[in-house]
Amino acid sequence: KAGVTQTPRYLIKTRGQQVTLSCSPISGHRSVSWYQQTPGQGLQFLFEYFSETQRNKGNFPGRFSGRQFSNSRSEMNVSTLELGDSALYLCASSFSGQETQYFGPGTRLLVL
Amino acid sequence: EDQVTQSPEALRLQEGESSSLNCSYTVSGLRGLFWYRQDPGKGPEFLFTLYSAGEEKEKERLKATLTKKESFLHITAPKPEDSATYLCAVQAGGGATNKLIFGTGTLLAVQP
Repeated sequence: KAGVTQTPRYLIKTRGQQVTLSCSPISGHRSVSWYQQTPGQGLQFLFEYFSETQRNKGNFPGRFSGRQFSNSRSEMNVSTLELGDSALYLCASSFSGQETQYFGPGTRLLVL
Repeated sequence: EDQVTQSPEALRLQEGESSSLNCSYTVSGLRGLFWYRQDPGKGPEFLFTLYSAGEEKEKERLKATLTKKESFLHITAPKPEDSATYLCAVQAGGGATNKLIFGTGTLLAVQP
């Protein structure tokens, strides 16, 4: 069974631009969560989606948004990028959300 | 506020030297405690899920245990390939959310 895939793997953007990251969950998984990982803050929860509905959201500004499609694939968008948005963005999937989550390899975003 | 604390921050062992990593938590209504391993530049790799105090899980040289306030990851006779960052996360509270709260991790280095 294929694991969680994320695209692109690496991105370089400049301040003020926007970016869209994509996540394909494990086949059959309907829950997708997004996390931001930085050296200073560790792994922090961004939001989760289940059956195309946002079920929970972390403490991030409104510049961070996401969505989930009918095939469970998910995208997250960051608008008006800031230097502090440089991070590893991780996507995790699970069957219904209340059991083990499996992570993808992440997208490394660098904002210059 | 829900909180997860891991110690030590870093640990250096000689090959074959057994030790334990600690994860203490303060949460309202623990639903599950998860251990992940993360190699540099990669996403977290699932190791164990523990649901109730007294539960133990084993996999090769790793054994995870859970009490009402903390979890331990015991590493028996480690090898250099066990070098990684070990992350502890909890899922807590009611509702359908699958949000994970992570500790900051323990960076383990096993020297040959």
